[in-house]
Amino acid sequence: DGGITQSPKYLFRKEGQNVTLSCEQNLNHDAMYWYRQDPGQGLRLIYYSQIVNDFQKGDIAEGYSVSREKKESFPLTVTSAQKNPTAFYLCASSIQPTPGPYNEQFFGPGTRLTVL
Amino acid sequence: AQKVTQAQTEISVVEKEDVTLDCVYETRDTTYYLFWYKQPPSGELVFLIRRNSFDEQNEISGRYSWNFQKSTSSFNFTITASQVVDSAVYFCALSEETSGSRLTFGEGTQLTVNP
Repeated sequence: DGGITQSPKYLFRKEGQNVTLSCEQNLNHDAMYWYRQDPGQGLRLIYYSQIVNDFQKGDIAEGYSVSREKKESFPLTVTSAQKNPTAFYLCASSIQPTPGPYNEQFFGPGTRLTVL
Repeated sequence: AQKVTQAQTEISVVEKEDVTLDCVYETRDTTYYLFWYKQPPSGELVFLIRRNSFDEQNEISGRYSWNFQKSTSSFNFTITASQVVDSAVYFCALSEETSGSRLTFGEGTQLTVNP
């Protein structure tokens, strides 16, 4: 089945450790995105990538890093510089990198990160 | 700058009631796209509808309907004869042509449908 995979669903880390969240898609989509969701709030864009080997900062990129070495993969690293990393992280992809008739984003199941 | 406002933080209804979720947006672009997503308790966002700025026709899909009015910058979502399975957080989102494929989300409306 085509879709977006995020693993693990729950992740616990000690304060001060870097942690990498995985996101894989087999939809052959060009664009991929990372969002952060805090309780009772909407989604905020961390980073996005419109094409392989290229990515842009979103609204809350500080303390995060990404890479896009393959079309199907867009891992997110939460670094120790992120002051409040505990949150729900959602990865998404869209068929094309620019607005258009089919540019809806499809989401993975999310990873809930808890930093102890 | 683009902005999406969902003024209703929480709505609670009894099964079979109709319910409307409000969405108001701000944009300077003439070409833009509006979306609704559903987030059930499992957490994954489910795409419901996309509408572009040049298409103001209302749309109906089963018990769901959407009312897009450019004059009031609103894109409201109505669920007719609500069911318990409709309980979820619903997000409205906006994508501007000049912002690439970025989505700006509203803060969401928690809908609870009680039996």
